[in-house]
Order: sequence, then structure tokens, then C-alpha cells
Amino acid sequence: EAQVTQNPRYLITVTGKKLTVTCSQNMNHEYMSWYRQDPGLGLRQIYYSMNVEVTDKGDVPEGYKVSRKEKRNFPLILESPSPNQTSLYFCASGDVQETQYFGPGTRLLVL
Amino acid sequence: QKEVEQDPGPLSVPEGAIVSLNCTYSNSAFQYFMWYRQYSRKGPELLMYTYSSGNKEDGRFTAQVDKSSKYISLFIRDSQPSDSATYLCASNAGNNRKLIWGLGTSLAVNP
Repeated sequence: EAQVTQNPRYLITVTGKKLTVTCSQNMNHEYMSWYRQDPGLGLRQIYYSMNVEVTDKGDVPEGYKVSRKEKRNFPLILESPSPNQTSLYFCASGDVQETQYFGPGTRLLVL
Repeated sequence: QKEVEQDPGPLSVPEGAIVSLNCTYSNSAFQYFMWYRQYSRKGPELLMYTYSSGNKEDGRFTAQVDKSSKYISLFIRDSQPSDSATYLCASNAGNNRKLIWGLGTSLAVNP
């Protein structure tokens, strides 16, 4: 089944404790992206990647890191999470950015 | 002014009604127009993808782009309770330009 998977789906952590949210796609897509979704602010892009080893900042990259060492994986790293990073996070992939498949989401609470 | 604007709703209609969801955009360079559907607690899924002006139909769904007025519409015929979701419009100028998202319109179809 063609899909984008994210793990974990739910995460409660404390300020400053490094965490990684994994994202994997099985559709051989070149484009991958991370978004956060907050009430009243909609979807905001954090980082995106056009291909392996190519990543670029989106609208809200501060406090996040990504890497794209393999085509299928695009992990999101929060080196020192803060409460303002409490959000719903989506990974997405596509042949192009206009036609993206989204993962199921990761709900993060930073205390 | 946001580059892509949507009325957040909520929009509530009876089952079987024709639904009209709308977005306006401000950038005349936009050429690609997408509609995504997002069910509660799920990731967005691509519903319709159109290029330039005109109509595109897929089953009960019709996407319409009027570039002269910078207006994007999604029509849902014979609406069903399963259509209850948030509908997001998105647009960009192509050529890997930044994708701009609307905040979404919440739709409830009542049986």
C-alpha cells in the first residue's frame, strides 16, 4: 500500500529533551516536506527536500533540523524542544510539491 | 492580505445539497491550484489539482478557476455526511515556487 508513515503518532516530552520524529514513504517520491498545523494558523511548512541530500527551509524552520540521507526517509529533529513547538506535525511526499501525500500526523506536547 | 484566503466557516448543509467552497488569491502569477480534504485527526489528502483557468470534474467534485477574478471554487454535488471535513485550497506559480495554503473551510453535511 502506498503510504507515508510517521512515528511516533503521539508524544509528550519536556522542554529541552531532544526528540526525533521519523517519516518514511514507499512511493519513490523525490519531494518530501514537514509541516506543522496550529489552530488559526493553518499549515506552515518547516523544511522541505527536493531530493537526497538537498534540504531547504520553509516558513518556520527555527528550532528544527532535518536530514535526507535516503530517498524514503526524512526525519524531523527537535534538538531542544520548547512549549511553543507543541503542535500537530505532518510529513508529506510527492513527485512534486503540488501533489503531496500526507502522513497521519504526530501530535506533540512539550511541557 | 494573505496570498490565499478562505472563509473558515463552519459551513453546514443538509445531505444532498450542492456545496460551494471558495478561495481567493492575490498573486496573478499563480498557475497551479489544489484542493485538499482533511478529515478530523487525519492528514490532508489531495482532492483536485488544476492548472490555469477552467473547470475540472471528478465524480461529484468540480474544481473551477477564474483567473480574471482570482477566484477558486470547489463544488460538491449530492453532498454526503462523509464529505464532512475541512477543505484546504493551495496555490503557487509552479517552477518549484512556494506553495501557499489557505487556512481551510470546515464543512458539515447533516443527514
